[in-house]
Parts: sequence; structure tokens; C-alpha cells
Amino acid sequence: EVQLVESGGNLVQPGRSLTLACTASGFTFKNYEMYWVRQAPGKGLEWVSHISSSGSTVNYPDSVKGRFTISRDNTKNSLYLRMTSLRAEDTAVYYCARGPFYSSGYYFAYWGQGTRVTVSS
Amino acid sequence: DVVMTQTPLSLSVTPGQPASISCKSSQSLLHHEGKTHLYWYVQRPGQSPQLLIYEVSSRFSGVPERFSGSGSGTEFSLQISRVEAEDVGVYYCMQGIHLPLTFGPGTRVDIK
Repeated sequence: EVQLVESGGNLVQPGRSLTLACTASGFTFKNYEMYWVRQAPGKGLEWVSHISSSGSTVNYPDSVKGRFTISRDNTKNSLYLRMTSLRAEDTAVYYCARGPFYSSGYYFAYWGQGTRVTVSS
Repeated sequence: DVVMTQTPLSLSVTPGQPASISCKSSQSLLHHEGKTHLYWYVQRPGQSPQLLIYEVSSRFSGVPERFSGSGSGTEFSLQISRVEAEDVGVYYCMQGIHLPLTFGPGTRVDIK
């Protein structure tokens, strides 16, 4: 069974940093592209980052580019999101998601339960 | 960025009746390999989103047959043949070919 368990969410002051982690199990982690997707309170879904299976390719939307860094450790079956210069608008539930085994597109086949980040003074 | 629109934004359905949600993209979602990268997710109350349909019309593992997807190019739809109580939630379409990946605003489905 595919399992994705996020951790690291917290209350943090604006301008500070936070690192989220996602621990994967039930599949061969190193073979899959991974993502972070967030959902602000009462709002819809927003894609936050993508990383290739090897970690050599990463992508971000403009809203977080230069502030967020996605990374992975395939030896630990773990995905990370380093978030710096946090803003109130980064307040959201952050979901870790796994891509398909193969696709010419990007999508999220499995999702974790999410971890809550609140940016407030 | 590719803009995804959905109609309606909310839907109230009698159990056993069909439901349909429309999704339109501002650019074609057809990949040169021939696949069209339009996806449907549902977020049931208090839960994480789940994949329902991938590449326009393929049901994901475990998704009931009452869910189907159709469309091409820039216009797509999700149909539920006979709505059940467990289908309550917010349904999102998403395009998976152009970066940044973008979602529709969501369609809230509830039961009459």
C-alpha cells in the first residue's frame, strides 16, 4: 500500500524558514517523480513544486520560486520542502504527492494526509 | 499560465441521478505523444484529494465505474452516472502538461 506521511508543519513568523518532510513507503521511491501541493484555508489546490525521480530536475511556480526548495533522499525514501522568507499567503495545508510510474505529463496519483503551515506573527 | 475553468461551481444532486461537471482550459492539453493531460480529483470532506480520472478518460485504480471522463483539446467533462451519498465533495480538474500545473476552482457537489 502506498503511504505518504508528511511532517514538519508548524506556526512560524513571517520571514522565517521551515522544512517539511514526507516519508514514503509501499513503493520503490527512487523510481517516481514527487510533488508538493498546497491548499490555503477554504481555498482550492495549488501546485508548489516537482522533482524528478533522480532529483536532477525541479520545477516551481512563480509564487514560490526562489523561496522554496524541493529535494529528496532516495536512500531514506524521503522528500523535503525547504521554505524560506515565508509570507502570510504561504499559510496552507501542504500535501506530498507521488506521480505515476510513467507519464508524458505531470500528475498526482497518490497523496499524503497533509501537514499544516501557519505563517503569522 | 493555463487557466482552468469549471462549471458549475456547485451542484446539488438527488441520489441515483446523474451529474456532470464541465472543465475548460485556456490552451490545448494535447501532448505531441498523443496523450491529453487532463485530470480529475475529488476531495471529500475532511480528506486529502484523490485521483479519479487521468488522461481525460481513464479511471484510476479503485474508482467506481459510475465515474467517467470525456473531452478533447480544451473542453472536458466528468460524469457521475448515478450519484451516491459518498460522492459528496469538491471536484477539481487539473492540467498536467504546461508548467505551472494549474487546477480549476473546484465544483462542490452535495446531496439533496
